[in-house]
Amino acid sequence: NAGVMQNPRHLVRRRGQEARLRCSPMKGHSHVYWYRQLPEEGLKFMVYLQKENIIDESGMPKERFSAEFPKEGPSILRIQQVVRGDSAAYFCASSPRGVEKLFFGSGTQLSVL
Amino acid sequence: GQQVMQIPQYQHVQEGEDFTTYCNSSTTLSNIQWYKQRPGGHPVFLIQLVKSGEVKKQKRLTFQFGEAKKNSSLHITATQTTDVGTYFCAGPTPNDYKLSFGAGTTVTVRA
Repeated sequence: NAGVMQNPRHLVRRRGQEARLRCSPMKGHSHVYWYRQLPEEGLKFMVYLQKENIIDESGMPKERFSAEFPKEGPSILRIQQVVRGDSAAYFCASSPRGVEKLFFGSGTQLSVL
Repeated sequence: GQQVMQIPQYQHVQEGEDFTTYCNSSTTLSNIQWYKQRPGGHPVFLIQLVKSGEVKKQKRLTFQFGEAKKNSSLHITATQTTDVGTYFCAGPTPNDYKLSFGAGTTVTVRA
């Protein structure tokens, strides 16, 4: 059973470009969470999704950020018109039963030049 | 909103010594979870505590959930170099869908 797969591992974007981060949850997991981590800081909740539904997006900026988890395919975190402050590690986690025992992917390190 | 706080932020330990890291929530938690993140790695689930006053052990690690279900602790005995990393506690509130993480305790070990 493959773990949570995130790609790309590293993403470099120039200011103003779009960043797309992908996350394939573990097989059988329908709950997906996105977290953001800055160096030497904790994990900041961004969004919680179930298949085709956004359950809680209270941690995600309303502008430029969006997330989806379609019926088929991976969950996508999209950041439009990136700025330097968006540089961070973005982790995806999945679980079979909501907020219990999250399984994390290896993360995507986004660098904005 | 709910806040989860951890102390200390950094823990420098001599190999073989014991130490404890503490986690406090501003609200009552339905459960408390602990994760470990190695340098350059991703968080890995260690354990979940659900009952008031619960104590669980994993080899040299002892986890405790407070009676009021608002605080928790992780005690590591005879620290080894493999214990290096950042330990996060995390908890949901009973009606909350998201897991709020503390800022973590980063552990370094002197051989």
